[in-house]
Amino acid sequence: KNQVEQSPQSLIILEGKNCTLQCNYTVSPFSNLRWYKQDTGRGPVSLTIMTFSENTKSNGRYTATLDADTKQSSLHITASQLSDSASYICVVSEPDGNYQLIWGAGTKLIIKP
Amino acid sequence: SQTIHQWPATLVQPVGSPLSLECTVEGTSNPNLYWYRQAAGRGLQLLFYSVGIGQISSEVPQNLSASRPQDRQFILSSKKLLLSDSGFYLCAWSPGTTSYNEQFFGPGTRLTVL
Repeated sequence: KNQVEQSPQSLIILEGKNCTLQCNYTVSPFSNLRWYKQDTGRGPVSLTIMTFSENTKSNGRYTATLDADTKQSSLHITASQLSDSASYICVVSEPDGNYQLIWGAGTKLIIKP
Repeated sequence: SQTIHQWPATLVQPVGSPLSLECTVEGTSNPNLYWYRQAAGRGLQLLFYSVGIGQISSEVPQNLSASRPQDRQFILSSKKLLLSDSGFYLCAWSPGTTSYNEQFFGPGTRLTVL
């Protein structure tokens, strides 16, 4: 069964610190892997999308990495800000599917001042 | 630019009552449309998707249904709500032609069935 697992389930860090969120998946083959940010009570917003041939993708202070051999991805947040408090969701797209996205449960990140 | 609207934002309904959630997209044509449900602490679950008017595919058997009466309108319905239907419902759209299949989400509807 295709799955996406994220760790940790939740994380609390101080403002200004860096952090790394992990994503392991069993979807194979896959089309692309994406990270979404979801504020509480809002819809998810895309941060990065990587195809299987890409190793890294940055979006401001967010940097995603992908290792297709080990089926792992990470999202690194640099110099965290209070507005980074949200859930971060890893999503893997199956090939040839315009709709088949396998969603992780997310990591809830809390930034404290 | 494209925008996606969902309403209502919150809804409290008794068990057995009907449901109608509406989603509309502006600024694009022939989008793919999606309904998701998100339970607390869980990943998003795809309920329905549509690639065109009147074309609905269901991913999970349940007492919900979806309709697409117009190109940019997607409706989620139920004739009789169950307690288990409570959750956060999200509508999303994606360009039908992009290979990345990026999906853009609406603000969501928080449904509580009592």
